[in-house]
Amino acid sequence: ELKVEQNPLFLSMQEGKNYTIYCNYSTTSDRLYWYRQDPGKSLESLFVLLSNGAVKQEGRLMASLDTKARLSTLHITAAVHDLSATYFCAVDYSYNQGGKLIFGQGTELSVKP
Amino acid sequence: ETGVTQSPTHLIKTRGQQVTLRCSSQSGHNTVSWYQQALGQGPQFIFQYYREEENGRGNFPPRFSGLQFPNYSSELNVNALELDDSALYLCASSLVGSHTGELFFGEGSRLTVL
Repeated sequence: ELKVEQNPLFLSMQEGKNYTIYCNYSTTSDRLYWYRQDPGKSLESLFVLLSNGAVKQEGRLMASLDTKARLSTLHITAAVHDLSATYFCAVDYSYNQGGKLIFGQGTELSVKP
Repeated sequence: ETGVTQSPTHLIKTRGQQVTLRCSSQSGHNTVSWYQQALGQGPQFIFQYYREEENGRGNFPPRFSGLQFPNYSSELNVNALELDDSALYLCASSLVGSHTGELFFGEGSRLTVL
C-alpha cells in the first residue's frame, strides 16, 4: 500500500526555537513536494525535491530528501508566528507523468510568542 | 499568466443531489488533477485528465466523474451526493513531461452536503 506518513501531526513551538518535521513514504519516488496550507485556504507550494540528497532553503525553512531512506525533512529555524499553518508533504507516484500525489496527514504548526 | 481558477467557491447541497465543479487550468498547462480534502486531512487524489481523457484514478467510486475540454479546462461531477462528500475540492494543473511535475492548485470549492 502506498503511504506517506508525517510526524509530528501537531507541533506547538515557541518563537525563536528550531524544529524538524519528518515525512516517511513507502513507494519509490524521485519527486517529493512540501506545501503550506493556511486555515480555509488552498495549498501553497514551498519546495520541490527531485533527487536524492536534494536540499532547498527559503527563509526559515529548509527541506531535504533522502530517497534511499524514503525520508524527507522540513526544518524550521528560529520560528516566527507567521509560520503557523499546516504543512503537507506529498509524493509523486505517477512515474514522472506528474499530477498524481499521495499526501501525508499534515503537520499543524502553531508558533507562540 | 493566469493561475488556476475554480468555481463555485462555496456551495451547499442535500443528500442525493448532483453537483458540478469547474476548473480553468493555468495558461500553458495540459493536465488537470482533482483532489478531495476532508476536514483535518490531507488531500486525496480523485483523478487526472490529459488530452480530454481520464489518465489515472484514485480510490473513488464511479459516481465521481469528470471531463476535460479542448481548452484544458475541466469539470468534476459528483452524483448521488452523500454526507461524507462534504469537503474542499481542489483542482490542480500541470504540464505533462515537465522536469518538476509541479502542481499548481486553485483556491478550491468547498462543498457542504446536508
